Amino acid sequence: AQTVTQSQPEMSVQEAETVTLSCTYDTSENNYYLFWYKQPPSRQMILVIRQEAYKQQNATENRFSVNFQKAAKSFSLKISDSQLGDTAMYFCAFMKGANAGNMLTFGGGTRLMVKP
Amino acid sequence: NAGVTQTPKFRILKIGQSMTLQCTQDMNHNYMYWYRQDPGMGLKLIYYSVGAGITDKGEVPNGYNVSRSTTEDFPLRLELAAPSQTSVYFCASSEGGASSTDTQYFGPGTRLTVL
Repeated sequence: AQTVTQSQPEMSVQEAETVTLSCTYDTSENNYYLFWYKQPPSRQMILVIRQEAYKQQNATENRFSVNFQKAAKSFSLKISDSQLGDTAMYFCAFMKGANAGNMLTFGGGTRLMVKP
Repeated sequence: NAGVTQTPKFRILKIGQSMTLQCTQDMNHNYMYWYRQDPGMGLKLIYYSVGAGITDKGEVPNGYNVSRSTTEDFPLRLELAAPSQTSVYFCASSEGGASSTDTQYFGPGTRLTVL
């Protein structure tokens, strides 16, 4: 079974600064996908970024980027130029390779507060 | 395009009552999922379906049942509600299969309280 660990229950950052959220995972799979989801106070789960394990290049989406270290089983999220709207819970999630039900295993979450 | 919709948004049940949480998606996705999120925790998979007529258990299936008679709908049934089922329930869907772009899209959630 896979496990996903987010070791930072809460973090805060000043507006316009950069923050990094940590995530580690444990798996024996070689083919898998990793995700970061954002959950604002509205409770809606919003996909932030995804990474395919077979790709060495780190994924980026505008102000969001990841540092994927496959050997260390680490998948951190960097948010640059933080905005007040980035305040939310952030969940790291793991998915086994295709044709395995595509189920997501979530970490416990990190609550991020962006301060003005 | 509505995406994934869930009803109701909120519900209070008494211990022992039953109810069905509705989930519908209009993206013609093959795969659908039910998760629960307890306070301050991540989501845990209850049941999932890879197509109409096919369902399977996730991590925490006890106390729940599902059915998938159509591609669009994936209702979650709670029988004999218990306080431990107080949670927020999320439905999600994805294209499924071997696509490397398979991403789950979530509904807005149903907050259920069992008293």
